[in-house]
Amino acid sequence: NAGVMQNPRHLVRRRGQEARLRCSPMKGHSHVYWYRQLPEEGLKFMVYLQKENIIDESGMPKERFSAEFPKEGPSILRIQQVVRGDSAAYFCASSPRGANEKLFFGSGTQLSVL
Amino acid sequence: DAKTTQPTSMDCAEGRAANLPCNHSTISGNEYVYWYRQIHSQGPQYVIHGLKNNETNEMASLIITEDRKSSTLILPHATLRDTAVYYCIVSSGNAGNMLTFGGGTRLMVKP
Repeated sequence: NAGVMQNPRHLVRRRGQEARLRCSPMKGHSHVYWYRQLPEEGLKFMVYLQKENIIDESGMPKERFSAEFPKEGPSILRIQQVVRGDSAAYFCASSPRGANEKLFFGSGTQLSVL
Repeated sequence: DAKTTQPTSMDCAEGRAANLPCNHSTISGNEYVYWYRQIHSQGPQYVIHGLKNNETNEMASLIITEDRKSSTLILPHATLRDTAVYYCIVSSGNAGNMLTFGGGTRLMVKP
């Protein structure tokens, strides 16, 4: 059973470009969470999704950031018009049921904005 | 969710027990205590969690005080590979398990 898969592992973008980060949860998991980790800081919750639904996006910046988890395919975190401050490690996690379950994290995507 | 307080860093000799404390004095009755760890630049890894009773698994033991205001994560025989940042988190799970990671404790296991 493969773990949580994130790709790409590293992503370099110039200011103003779009970044798309993909996350495939573990098999059988229908709950996906995105976290962001700035250099030398802890992980900050961004968004929680179930299949085709956003459950909580209280940690998402109001502009330029969006997330989806379609019925088929991976979850996508999309950042439009990236700025240098978006440079961070983005981690995805999944769980089978979402309530008091342990989360399984992927290896993350390191986004660098030039 | 309740906040937690952890020491910023700790050292432990290889082969000895590592005892990582965590204060969560405002914890609610329905909130669990979770421990995760993050080894340099990797994704966090679940360690253990509990509600009231002490818990033990293949990685660690979790001791929760009777009033639930503090807990201790115990790595019985620390190895160099246990060097990591350890996060103590309390969560009700009602908000969809959105764990809030604080600063954690940076554990350095030394030979």
